Amino acid sequence: SQTIHQWPATLVQPVGSPLSLECTVEGTSNPNLYWYRQAAGRGLQLLFYSVGIGQISSEVPQNLSASRPQDRQFILSSKKLLLSDSGFYLCAWGPRGETQYFGPGTRLLVL
Amino acid sequence: GQQVMQIPQYQHVQEGEDFTTYCNSSTTLSNIQWYKQRPGGHPVFLIQLVKSGEVKKQKRLTFQFGEAKKNSSLHITATQTTDVGTYFCAGRGTGGFKTIFGAGTRLFVKA
Repeated sequence: SQTIHQWPATLVQPVGSPLSLECTVEGTSNPNLYWYRQAAGRGLQLLFYSVGIGQISSEVPQNLSASRPQDRQFILSSKKLLLSDSGFYLCAWGPRGETQYFGPGTRLLVL
Repeated sequence: GQQVMQIPQYQHVQEGEDFTTYCNSSTTLSNIQWYKQRPGGHPVFLIQLVKSGEVKKQKRLTFQFGEAKKNSSLHITATQTTDVGTYFCAGRGTGGFKTIFGAGTRLFVKA
């Protein structure tokens, strides 16, 4: 069966510091991968999606970037965090345009 | 672009009362999915509807896809406190790649 991992679960970072969140998927090959951000009590904002290694599509211009160095690895990064980057970051995988399966998420607090 | 609207934003019910959330798309959908996010948790896939007029049931939950494939509903009969959380619909437009999420309906159940 497929599983999706995200870490860390919680992160507190100072403004201006770098960020690296990792997501890995097991039990499937060539999945579509997604990064979402969710503000407290709000909906899901799609940040990036990837259909293959090295292929990244950005949905919202911001100071975040994503990379997919391996088939089942998706990384979300920032060189300098802003206060507005605080939120709940969710990674998801799924077949083309279909059901998405979410990881446990990372709660990021930028102070 | 494609938009998915979900109403109501919030719903407070007494335990035992019924609950319905509605999802409307600006364009015809290939399919629609429903997810549940418990407080503090991540979205979990509930069901996918594909056919026009399709109705599916999961215990006390009834999911419906409109005849025109532009709207959907989730109805919960006799709510329980375990039903609390946010319910999201998500749909992919015909010929499109991306799945668009609604803003979610947050359900509060008072015992």
